[in-house]
Formats: sequence, C-alpha cells, structure tokens
Amino acid sequence: QQQVKQSPQSLIVQKGGISIINCAYENTAFDYFPWYQQFPGKGPALLIAIRPDVSEKKEGRFTISFNKSAKQFSLHIMDSQPGDSATYFCAASKNGNQFYFGTGTSLTVIP
Amino acid sequence: ETGVTQSPTHLIKTRGQQVTLRCSSQSGHNTVSWYQQALGQGPQFIFQYYREEENGRGNFPPRFSGLQFPNYSSELNVNALELDDSALYLCASSLSQGEQYFGPGTRLTVT
Repeated sequence: QQQVKQSPQSLIVQKGGISIINCAYENTAFDYFPWYQQFPGKGPALLIAIRPDVSEKKEGRFTISFNKSAKQFSLHIMDSQPGDSATYFCAASKNGNQFYFGTGTSLTVIP
Repeated sequence: ETGVTQSPTHLIKTRGQQVTLRCSSQSGHNTVSWYQQALGQGPQFIFQYYREEENGRGNFPPRFSGLQFPNYSSELNVNALELDDSALYLCASSLSQGEQYFGPGTRLTVT
C-alpha cells in the first residue's frame, strides 16, 4: 500500500510561473512532512518541511500548504526558474523514523 | 561542517555476490537511515540505526543487513545479490529522529 501518493508525475512550467505538486497520505500518525529536490546523479536535498500544527510554511519562493483534515499537502514554487528543473519528492514520517516517499514529480521549467 | 559522504560512487557486481556500502554521517548526527531508490522511483526505507542499534526496518529481506559504528558511520551489506537489487543506495543522517540529510548515493549494478 502506497503510504504517500504524489501527483503529477511530470510538470512543465514556463519561467516565472507557479509550479504546484500535490501529495496525499494515509497514516494520521504522521507528524513530519518534508519535500526533497533531486538532480540527476545526486542524492535528495531537503527543501522545506512542515509539521501538522501549521497550515502553511513559506521559505523564499517555496511554500508548503497543509490540509490536515483532507490528509493532503502541496508544494508551491513561485516564480519558477530553469534552475528549479529537477525531480521533487514529498515524504512523511512518524517520529522521524521511517520516511515514506512519494513517487516523484519531474519538473521542467521552460525559459 | 562535513556533509554526508558515501563510498563507493559506483559498483558493479555479479548475481550471487555480496556487497558492502559505506556512509559517513554529517558531523554531530547520531542516526543513519538507508534507502534503496530504483530508477524513476522514490527512495524506499531499508532500515535506520540510532546509536549503533537498529531502530526500524522496512520491507526488505534479511540478506540486507547493516552496522553503525561508534563514530556513527554506517555500513549496508547485501548478500546473495539479485538483479533487482540494482539501484541507487542512499544514506541519510540526522540528529536523533530529526531532519534527514542525504548523501550522493552509491549506484549498484548487478549483472
């Protein structure tokens, strides 16, 4: 059973546009929801993370929106740039132990 | 501050052989988690080590085993390699069960 479902699988956005990636989770015991960015041949890099006691967290151009009742969270990338082109993964964990990852979203930002 | 490092970068093994992958955690971190990332997929949790003890295990067979040393570095051992073990193996370190920071990974190819 997929604990974290991610969509879309791929996304193409014009430079300056908004990229939105969505995730849904099953386990209501999850208490930590990070987003990772991965470039080809590299390990995932922590981008931004949220805990369920807040509904939104913003860091620069990156914002996480969190809907606890719907068990959904999303990543918004404002003013998308070609350098943002990468694969993005959402994840969820309980007590920072086992992290469950989504299947990834390949983002392409067109100049 | 030194980030997470992994060795080797690439490895080619034959089916049935054994392999050992190594990970040095980020300075100050006492927890190491190992993940398997198949091509085009999200990382799958193998197990976590906290202060030299296994602290959670994912859905992987016993031929996947690990160690954590007093300096918090870690090894992943895989016995009786199968073709499906071909993947990127990622190590992530954290302070207790906090935010996880990934290394660049080891690309294992089993022929």
